Amino acid sequence: KAGVTQTPRYLIKTRGQQVTLSCSPISGHRSVSWYQQTPGQGLQFLFEYFSETQRNKGNFPGRFSGRQFSNSRSEMNVSTLELGDSALYLCASSLEGGPNTNEKLFFGSGTQLSVL
Amino acid sequence: GESVGLHLPTLSVQEGDNSIINCAYSNSASDYFIWYKQESGKGPQFIIDIRSNMDKRQGQRVTVLLNKTVKHLSLQIAATQPGDSAVYFCADKAAGNKLTFGGGTRVLVKP
Repeated sequence: KAGVTQTPRYLIKTRGQQVTLSCSPISGHRSVSWYQQTPGQGLQFLFEYFSETQRNKGNFPGRFSGRQFSNSRSEMNVSTLELGDSALYLCASSLEGGPNTNEKLFFGSGTQLSVL
Repeated sequence: GESVGLHLPTLSVQEGDNSIINCAYSNSASDYFIWYKQESGKGPQFIIDIRSNMDKRQGQRVTVLLNKTVKHLSLQIAATQPGDSAVYFCADKAAGNKLTFGGGTRVLVKP
């Protein structure tokens, strides 16, 4: 069974641009969560999607958004990029429960975003 | 878990020795705890979990110990191998709340 797949692996953008990251969960997993990982703040929860609906949201500004498609694939978008958005963005999938349950989260390898 | 800030604490261990990685958590209502391993260039991978009704759980070469009195979690790795070199994260959650990750500990295995 293929793991969680994230594309692209690396991205370089400039301030003010917008970016879209993609995540394909493990087959059969319906919950997809997104995390931002930086050296200073560690792993911070962005949001979780289930059945094409945002089910949980972290404390990030509205520039960060996402969506989920009927096949459970998810995208996240960051608009008006700032230097501080440079980070590793990780996607995690689970069967149904997501990060608010004791279901295991399976992480992808992430997208490394650099904002210049 | 509690964030440990910009500089990851680092544990250097000789190959073959046992490693002990410590983690403090702050929420006394947390009832589920988990350890993840993150190798360079990869996402976190599940290692082992434990619920608050237990104080010890063993896996393959790993043992997690939970001390709820002092809100402390530890991961013990037996006979550490070069492939164990990675950053290790603890995470905790209370019922209905999200998993909260600690800042991580880097483990360097010396040959």
